[in-house]
Amino acid sequence: QQPVQSPQAVILREGEDAVINCSSSKALYSVHWYRQKHGEAPVFLMILLKGGEQKGHEKISASFNEKKQQSSLYLTASQLSYSGTYFCGTGASGGSYIPTFGRGTSLIVHP
Amino acid sequence: GAGVSQSPRYKVAKRGQDVALRCDPISGHVSLFWYQQALGQGPEFLTYFQNEAQLDKSGLPSDRFFAERPEGSVSTLKIQRTQQEDSAVYLCASSLATNEQFFGPGTRLTVL
Repeated sequence: QQPVQSPQAVILREGEDAVINCSSSKALYSVHWYRQKHGEAPVFLMILLKGGEQKGHEKISASFNEKKQQSSLYLTASQLSYSGTYFCGTGASGGSYIPTFGRGTSLIVHP
Repeated sequence: GAGVSQSPRYKVAKRGQDVALRCDPISGHVSLFWYQQALGQGPEFLTYFQNEAQLDKSGLPSDRFFAERPEGSVSTLKIQRTQQEDSAVYLCASSLATNEQFFGPGTRLTVL
């Protein structure tokens, strides 16, 4: 079952922060985050495998609350290059690394 | 360093035609995935290979869809008797294991 992402869209000014949420109705084994720019392939940001694990990639970090079956992506001091659509992909419990992707969150960063 | 490549990048087919989409994964990547991405949606899983073995094909929407990876490297996704609802971007991804996936640029299929 597809995870639910919120919000659907975010518009920011450069330097502002944003949070993108991903929730699932199923118990999760893994959460994957990707960014896709228009007309391009999705690019891997990070994967979280343990409950409570947080990972970071420059000023982008994520958390995984296994109990709540949720993950959040934090974008700090956003840059113009952060614009794109962010997808979370969830791997079901049982050891699946194959992500089921959400519908995406569109992020637009203005100068 | 070559990434994942896909060909053709664009394909227009008449309804009822068969199409074949090719994916060249990163050399040495054991795992290969195919996804279908409709406009405004996330990638939807189709099938997964580990080397030449197709371990999961649960996402293939119908028996018109067939994928193979005979030598554990290049993969082909074939769609027989294409329908308008098959129009989408078909993404291929490869990985060393099954964690970080490297996506190709996709093939945009339009069925008229």
